[in-house]
Order: sequence, then structure tokens, then C-alpha cells
Amino acid sequence: DAKTTQPPSMDCAEGRAANLPCNHSTISGNEYVYWYRQIHSQGPQYIIHGLKNNETNEMASLIITEDRKSSTLILPHATLRDTAVYYCIVRVGDKIIFGKGTRLHILP
Amino acid sequence: EPEVTQTPSHQVTQMGQEVILRCVPISNHLYFYWYRQILGQKVEFLVSFYNNEISEKSEIFDDQFSVERPDGSNFTLKIRSTKLEDSAMYFCASSDWTGSGNTIYFGEGSWLTVV
Repeated sequence: DAKTTQPPSMDCAEGRAANLPCNHSTISGNEYVYWYRQIHSQGPQYIIHGLKNNETNEMASLIITEDRKSSTLILPHATLRDTAVYYCIVRVGDKIIFGKGTRLHILP
Repeated sequence: EPEVTQTPSHQVTQMGQEVILRCVPISNHLYFYWYRQILGQKVEFLVSFYNNEISEKSEIFDDQFSVERPDGSNFTLKIRSTKLEDSAMYFCASSDWTGSGNTIYFGEGSWLTVV
């Protein structure tokens, strides 16, 4: 399975854009990049996913580099409720394998 | 918005007892999963289930675990004889079709404490 590398933690000021990086240099052509988050001990929450093109939804934007070796999740206007662990996952097949993620702290 | 629901939200059981965790996946979904998260650790894959049989299971999913879809709506995880190390949050998940481009949705979890 392709693996991802994320910083263990990041801070972002409330109201600013939070940009969470992810490296996935061994990704294959048919593997999707998924982002989930986990607030405290709640269930993982789906945020967004993409294959090659940049994607945007009501929660976030996903920017994937042209070589697909890295991506960035953007939360455009971070709030205190966005404090969570964010997981970047390269998905192969049916299941999702979680890494350690990035713990995002939103600072008031 | 459709969601995966799980019961109970929290269960305390004595070591050696059997436990059944219940899940109601999103109604039109066909693929089902169980994951677990020991306190302070990563979310770990346990098992995937499709068409009334296990599709894949991890090393964690040993003979003391079993899954079942007893009717058209429920999906259960049974732990036959619980151990202290089974204490964890158990998450059920579902998706409407397989393949890496399809989204898996998670429930809020069942917290199991084995004493």
C-alpha cells in the first residue's frame, strides 16, 4: 500500500486558512487520496477525496500536485470546531488504513 | 443526511463475557466494516463484509471475533470471550459500492470497557 507522511501537529489561527500537507510519493495511478478527520474520540468524519484533479466541497478543498506525490487539504476559514486529528489516506481497494494523522490546533 | 448508527454507545463488561456490538449501516449500502481504536492509538481495520461473507480481515480479527448481518438492516460484531485488551472504541462503517473511489462512512462508535 502507498504510505503517507503528515506532520504530527500544526497550529492555525481562528478565521485563517488551515493548510494541511501530505506526502504520498509512492502513490500509484489508480489510488485515491482521502482525507478524514476525528474530533476527540468521535467516529472518523469524511472530508474529501480526489484522484488527479483538485476538488472542493462545502468543508474543504483538496489540492493534488501534478505528479500526485503530495497534496494539501485546505480549510478556508478555520474555527475552533475544526480542532481535530486529520488523516491523509491513500486508499487501495475496499478498506481504509489510518495512519497517525496531523493534530490540528485552532488558536483563538 | 443518512448516517451509520451504533449501539450501545458505551458498554462495560466483565472479562470472559460475550459482547455484541450493533450497527445500522446507511440504508442502501452493501459493504460493511468494523474498525477499532484503543485509547490513544490509531484507528485499526478489523474486517470488511459483503454479500453475507467476510471480504477481508486483519490479524486482530481472530477466532474470538465474528460478524453477522442477521437481517436487512443490522450488522453486528460479536466478541466471544472478552479480554482486558479488547477495551477500545469500535467503529462500524459502510459504503454503497466497493472500489477505492467510493466513500466509506463511519458511525460514532461503541466504547467497550472490559473489567
